[in-house]
Amino acid sequence: NAGVTQTPKFQVLKTGQSMTLQCAQDMNHEYMSWYRQDPGMGLRLIHYSVGAGITDQGEVPNGYNVSRSTTEDFPLRLLSAAPSQTSVYFCASRSWTIDNEQFFGPGTRLTVL
Amino acid sequence: GESVGLHLPTLSVQEGDNSIINCAYSNSASDYFIWYKQESGKGPQFIIDIRSNMDKRQGQRVTVLLNKTVKHLSLQIAATQPGDSAVYFCAELSHTDKLIFGTGTRLQVFP
Repeated sequence: NAGVTQTPKFQVLKTGQSMTLQCAQDMNHEYMSWYRQDPGMGLRLIHYSVGAGITDQGEVPNGYNVSRSTTEDFPLRLLSAAPSQTSVYFCASRSWTIDNEQFFGPGTRLTVL
Repeated sequence: GESVGLHLPTLSVQEGDNSIINCAYSNSASDYFIWYKQESGKGPQFIIDIRSNMDKRQGQRVTVLLNKTVKHLSLQIAATQPGDSAVYFCAELSHTDKLIFGTGTRLQVFP
């Protein structure tokens, strides 16, 4: 199993540009989520999904959209990037049945100029 | 609202000593807590978890203690090694099934 994969690893955007951060997992996990991590801080939940076709907002959803058309993929879209969205983004997944252990991807480092 | 916080931002210990990392949480309804280790440039890695019906759980060189009376969680690492150097986060699974993270404690191990 590849686990949780994220692309790209690094990205630089200009203010106002849009882009999609990709996340995929091959563990057949129902639950997937996106976090952002700012320097010296913990992870904050952006959006999450409890299964294909179902998404919900986390702590800091503004400026981000998500969709979950398949169990495997959970892309995060930035519609109009802002410097405040400069951060490291982590995708995670877990199963309902395996002790709730959550697996994280390697992260995407995004800089918005 | 829900919040999880840590007492110390940085903890320095000598190799071979025991480390104790503390965490306070505010949501008394939470029933599941997790400790994560994050090395530089990597995503968080699961260390150990504990449910609210327990007050102690042991793993390999790690022990998590839960004190529900004062809403306090701690991670104990025995015989700390240089490879333990990382940022450690506690996280709380809320009643809305959201995993809420604390701000993290950096553990530095020196020889």
